[in-house]
Amino acid sequence: DGGITQSPKYLFRKEGQNVTLSCEQNLNHDAMYWYRQDPGQGLRLIYYSQIVNDFQKGDIAEGYSVSREKKESFPLTVTSAQKNPTAFYLCASSTSGGPTYEQYFGPGTRLTVT
Amino acid sequence: AQSVTQLDSHVSVSEGTPVLLRCNYSSSYSPSLFWYVQHPNKGLQLLLKYTSAATLVKGINGFEAEFKKSETSFHLTKPSAHMSDAAEYFCVVSDSPGGSYIPTFGRGTSLIVHP
Repeated sequence: DGGITQSPKYLFRKEGQNVTLSCEQNLNHDAMYWYRQDPGQGLRLIYYSQIVNDFQKGDIAEGYSVSREKKESFPLTVTSAQKNPTAFYLCASSTSGGPTYEQYFGPGTRLTVT
Repeated sequence: AQSVTQLDSHVSVSEGTPVLLRCNYSSSYSPSLFWYVQHPNKGLQLLLKYTSAATLVKGINGFEAEFKKSETSFHLTKPSAHMSDAAEYFCVVSDSPGGSYIPTFGRGTSLIVHP
């Protein structure tokens, strides 16, 4: 089955620790995205990548980092510099090349930092 | 620049009655428009999309939406609500002719279905 996987589903960390969220896709999509979701705020773009070894900051990149060494994988690291990291994180992918292509979303990772 | 406004943060209906979720958009170009649905603690799933073909778009689970350029609207409708339709719905616009094609999400509408 083609799709996007995110792991783990729930993640708990202590304040001051970095944590990496996994995102893998087998859809052969060029573009991948990370979003943060907080209640009542919709989805906010953290980082996106349209090709391997290249990525761009989104609207709320501060305190986050990413890498895109393989087409299938786009891990997100939440660093200790992120002031309010507790949230629901969604990874998505799409065929790049135009605005008509829909995004495919993973099931999400809920991160709780205490 | 593109933007999207979902006019209601919450919509409450009774099972079996029609559903209307409202979305207005702003775009300097010919946009693509999407509706996604999200059930609690899940990822988003595409309901339907408009990409400059037919203005009335049919999607999954009996949903449809009509693109009205003169009103800059893309409202989502369903003739008869089912309990399983209770979820969060997102309207999304994408144009960005500069090449990035980064979609813009509305803040979401929570659909509540009463038995």
